[in-house]
Amino acid sequence: GAVVSQHPSRVICKSGTSVKIECRSLDFQATTMFWYRQFPKQSLMLMATSNEGSKATYEQGVEKDKFLINHASLTLSTLTVTSAHPEDSSFYICSATGTGDVNTDTQYFGPGTRLTVL
Amino acid sequence: GIQVEQSPPDLILQEGANSTLRCNFSDSVNNLQWFHQNPWGQLINLFYIPSGTKQNGRLSATTVATERYSLLYISSSQTTDSGVYFCAGAYNQGGKLIFGQGTELSVKP
Repeated sequence: GAVVSQHPSRVICKSGTSVKIECRSLDFQATTMFWYRQFPKQSLMLMATSNEGSKATYEQGVEKDKFLINHASLTLSTLTVTSAHPEDSSFYICSATGTGDVNTDTQYFGPGTRLTVL
Repeated sequence: GIQVEQSPPDLILQEGANSTLRCNFSDSVNNLQWFHQNPWGQLINLFYIPSGTKQNGRLSATTVATERYSLLYISSSQTTDSGVYFCAGAYNQGGKLIFGQGTELSVKP
């Protein structure tokens, strides 16, 4: 149980385009989802927290107009990187906490999406 | 906010050796988790351990909440144990996690 998927696993795009990353909880209801970014050889940095049906809460320094987060259902959250630039190239990871046959206090992580902006 | 420090930053072991990884946190936490990030980037939950001791096979963890630290023990290490180990803490159960910088473990055959 507690499986979180992400799609795509890898994406390469041109500078100026927008990229959407999906995060799904496959076997539980995700009441809260989190989005992280990880640069090479660094730790995970939280970007935003989203609860189903409400606006995401962004961490300080994260541009909400650039990183659009939608948590429209209890199993799906999306992160859209708008007008991507090479400095947005990174490993994006989502996680979820939820209800069902899971530990409600534990975050379960997706496999990550590697974004490369040319 | 919470600050999480991990030590050592790097560790090289011979297969079969034991190791202890440490995580210190600056404030009281109600949520502490240990993860293993494999070479493909997947974070694997190891322990949810805000206090006490837990064991899972060759891995065990102990958190002493009053002294604000947690330890992860790896016994009889295997090459598949290689990767980065993170601890992360949160004020609230189910709340946002603050990650340490990780310990990069390399187990040599």
